[in-house]
Amino acid sequence: NAGVTQTPKFRILKIGQSMTLQCTQDMNHNYMYWYRQDPGMGLKLIYYSVGAGITDKGEVPNGYNVSRSTTEDFPLRLELAAPSQTSVYFCASSYSDGGLAGASSYNEQFFGPGTRLTVL
Amino acid sequence: AQSVTQPDIHITVSEGASLELRCNYSYGATPYLFWYVQSPGQGLQLLLKYFSGDTLVQGIKGFEAEFKRSQSSFNLRKPSVHWSDAAEYFCALKGDSSYKLIFGSGTRLLVRP
Repeated sequence: NAGVTQTPKFRILKIGQSMTLQCTQDMNHNYMYWYRQDPGMGLKLIYYSVGAGITDKGEVPNGYNVSRSTTEDFPLRLELAAPSQTSVYFCASSYSDGGLAGASSYNEQFFGPGTRLTVL
Repeated sequence: AQSVTQPDIHITVSEGASLELRCNYSYGATPYLFWYVQSPGQGLQLLLKYFSGDTLVQGIKGFEAEFKRSQSSFNLRKPSVHWSDAAEYFCALKGDSSYKLIFGSGTRLLVRP
């Protein structure tokens, strides 16, 4: 049971390049998330997904795209990299039944080890 | 508005000393609160969580946190710090939606030998 895995660990991009950050979880979680972590700013939610085929924007979605074709995978796409996208990116997953069973249905988010991205 | 404030950016304690990391929140209803730890180069790991009930919550690695509604606080404590506790600690609040976590800006803990 590997949990949440992310690739690559590090990447340097030039302005205007594109790339995809990969995220895979093997816990059969329905919810998956992408966060970015900037120094002194905590984590900000970029996009999230409540299940295969369903995605939605978080707090800071501009410049990113996501897809969720399977339960396990939730890739994050940067189309035209900009210096403002220099950050550490974390993928996370959790299970929720949507609140049908009350608070106990919300389980913790499990995080991957992160991808450190630099855009020059 | 929903928010989480961690007023201390850095804290340094000596090994064996007690620790308290502060967390204040702003939320209109009963909050669901979490403490996560991030070791260098690692992802976040859940230390403990509060949903309801007993206001003193026990977590992993000897940590505990106390929910105080009157002070809108959820401070993290440990009676005796170990060098391996050096890390960044994040307090988080579950928002209105079933998925959303709102994170504080983090407190970096340094441990003196």
